[in-house]
Amino acid sequence: AQSVSQHNHHVILSEAASLELGCNYSYGGTVNLFWYVQYPGQHLQLLLKYFSGDPLVKGIKGFEAEFIKSKFSFNLRKPSVQWSDTAEYFCAVKVTSGTYKYIFGTGTRLKVLA
Amino acid sequence: ETGVTQTPRHLVMGMTNKKSLKCEQHLGHNAMYWYKQSAKKPLELMFVYNFKEQTENNSVPSRFSPECPNSSHLFLHLHTLQPEDSALYLCASSQVSRGQGSGEQYFGPGTRLTVT
Repeated sequence: AQSVSQHNHHVILSEAASLELGCNYSYGGTVNLFWYVQYPGQHLQLLLKYFSGDPLVKGIKGFEAEFIKSKFSFNLRKPSVQWSDTAEYFCAVKVTSGTYKYIFGTGTRLKVLA
Repeated sequence: ETGVTQTPRHLVMGMTNKKSLKCEQHLGHNAMYWYKQSAKKPLELMFVYNFKEQTENNSVPSRFSPECPNSSHLFLHLHTLQPEDSALYLCASSQVSRGQGSGEQYFGPGTRLTVT
């Protein structure tokens, strides 16, 4: 069955530390990939997306993600986190096989200490 | 209003009640979705409507009944729910094009449902 795995459920970092959140998916066909963020008390917002082209995509607020097809991965990175990055991060994959379907990971809660 | 709105934001209902959740998207999209978000679980897709037609129903119990009267509005009718149905219910929309499929989804703030 198609699935998305986010290996880190909780991450705690100090400000200015570097961030990498893992995301792996299981599906052998064509995928589109997304990272969403949910700040406390707010709704899910798109951070970045990959549809085609350069596998290194840049999103809002200094986030980037790299699609590595051979590893079925789409890890999220930020060189230097800020307190305001405290949020829950969700990786999602859209698979297309006849129709289309979005599959989400369980999310990673990031807490950044000031 | 902009984006995707949902009402009510919070709902407490007994197991014998009937209530409805409402979602409205102001983005001109042609696909709408209902998701269930529970703690420590992935978002669970419940229903998909493309061009007002239901295209997916992920084995959702019949006590949840969706309605999509037009491409901007989506309802989730609830009746005789169980305590385990307590969760955050999220609505989303996206634009589907015949050549490129569906783009990214835009989410509403959700309705926090508590079933007592």
